[in-house]
Amino acid sequence: DVVMTQSPVSLPVTLGQPASISCRSSQSLVYSDGNTYLNWFQQRPGQSPRRLIYKVSNRDSGVPDRFSGSGSGTDFTLKISRVEAEDVGVYYCMQGTHWPQTFGQGTKVEIK
Amino acid sequence: EAQLVESGGGLVRPGGSLRLSCAASGFTFSDAWMSWVRQAPGKGLEWVGRIKSKTDGGATDYTAPVKGRFTISRDDSKNALYLQMNSLKIEDTAVYYCATGLAGVWGQGTLVTVSS
Repeated sequence: DVVMTQSPVSLPVTLGQPASISCRSSQSLVYSDGNTYLNWFQQRPGQSPRRLIYKVSNRDSGVPDRFSGSGSGTDFTLKISRVEAEDVGVYYCMQGTHWPQTFGQGTKVEIK
Repeated sequence: EAQLVESGGGLVRPGGSLRLSCAASGFTFSDAWMSWVRQAPGKGLEWVGRIKSKTDGGATDYTAPVKGRFTISRDDSKNALYLQMNSLKIEDTAVYYCATGLAGVWGQGTLVTVSS
């Protein structure tokens, strides 16, 4: 199985400051169709996960533009340009290129 | 707006069975690959399995921990997804979510507790 490794595991941030989460895969996530199926999810406390980003850098509908995704191959990043209180929660990367699809272990974002 | 609503969770003894349902609305269910994802208490997300659309063959795939014990099925006439869980183990205790193919839409989840 493809192992997804996120860092850091815990991320204390100051309101209004940027935040960055790294996600590395144990294999290339480029699929045979040329797409890279790397998604990012947010899970607020007590809620279901919500997809923020699909195929590396595409924001889902309704996702604020302070969230951005980048990367290629095996190395990916989720950035929050200015953290707001509602951004508190756990963030997961997920690869959909290889079966079984796998998630990273999660990064807990909290306010300092 | 796409919506998924799971039901059927509850308390079951080890070795028992349970069937979860997921009602879909707001999108063309028959065209969608559908998945089940679970989350053990206080833990991360774990894929359970998926079912392709009938147009794409309707095949199912499962992850190793549930293969041979869990079965995913769908009824496109009812816009419904199912997860039949047999030979349940304590480690199957989790919130079970249904989701569209690559997890663009999630339900609210249903809790399955396996305990004696």
